[in-house]
Amino acid sequence: AAGVIQSPRHLIKEKRETATLKCYPIPRHDTVYWYQQGPGQDPQFLISFYEKMQSDKGSIPDRFSAQQFSDYHSELNMSSLELGDSALYFCASSLAQGVYGQYFGPGTRLTVT
Amino acid sequence: AQSVAQPEDQVNVAEGNPLTVKCTYSVSGNPYLFWYVQYPNRGLQFLLKYITGDNLVKGSYGFEAEFNKSQTSFHLKKPSALVSDSALYFCAVRDSTGGFKTIFGAGTRLFVKA
Repeated sequence: AAGVIQSPRHLIKEKRETATLKCYPIPRHDTVYWYQQGPGQDPQFLISFYEKMQSDKGSIPDRFSAQQFSDYHSELNMSSLELGDSALYFCASSLAQGVYGQYFGPGTRLTVT
Repeated sequence: AQSVAQPEDQVNVAEGNPLTVKCTYSVSGNPYLFWYVQYPNRGLQFLLKYITGDNLVKGSYGFEAEFNKSQTSFHLKKPSALVSDSALYFCAVRDSTGGFKTIFGAGTRLFVKA
C-alpha cells in the first residue's frame, strides 16, 4: 500500500539559509499534518491542512510557512534557519480529518550547522 | 487546552509477561485517543484509536488499550510481550470539539528482555 512520502530524507543547511521540505500524502487522504521532533522529544504539532486549506496551527515559528497544493502535496518552507531548528520533521496524512488516526512519513532529518 | 501525560519514561518487562504503558489525558470535550509506536530513526506507526463505543480497543501487533473516562486514562496493554515490541510508544489526544491539533505525550520507552 502507498505510504506518505517525504523528501529529502536528509538535509544539511547552514545558519540563516532556507530549506524546503516536501510531503506527498497517501492518495485520497484529505488532511496533512507537519510535526517537529527534536532529539529525545515528542513530536510537536506545527500545522495542518484540510482539503488544501490551513486547518490548525501549533507551535510553528513565524520563520516557517507551509502550504498544500492542488495535487495535495504539501511543502514546509523554513527561512533564517537556526541551530535549534535541527530536528526530524514528520509529515502525516489522514482520512476524515484524522479521526481514524494519522499515517506518518519516514521524516526529513534537518541538520543546521 | 488538551494535554497528555505518560508518567513513565521507561518500562522494562520480560518476554512473555504482560505489559502496560500508562497514559492519562485532559481535554475540554470528548477525547479522540491514539497510540503510536516509533522505532529508531523511523516515523510513527499508528497502533490503535479510541473514538467512541467499547472501552477496550484492539489494535495492531496484539496491542490493546482501555479507555477509562472516570480516570481519564488510556493505558496500552499487551498480554504477552515480545522482544520486538521494544520501541518508543506515544500516546496522543485530540479534542473532538474541534480543531485538528493532536497533542502527543512525552513517550515511554519499552524494553522487553529475552
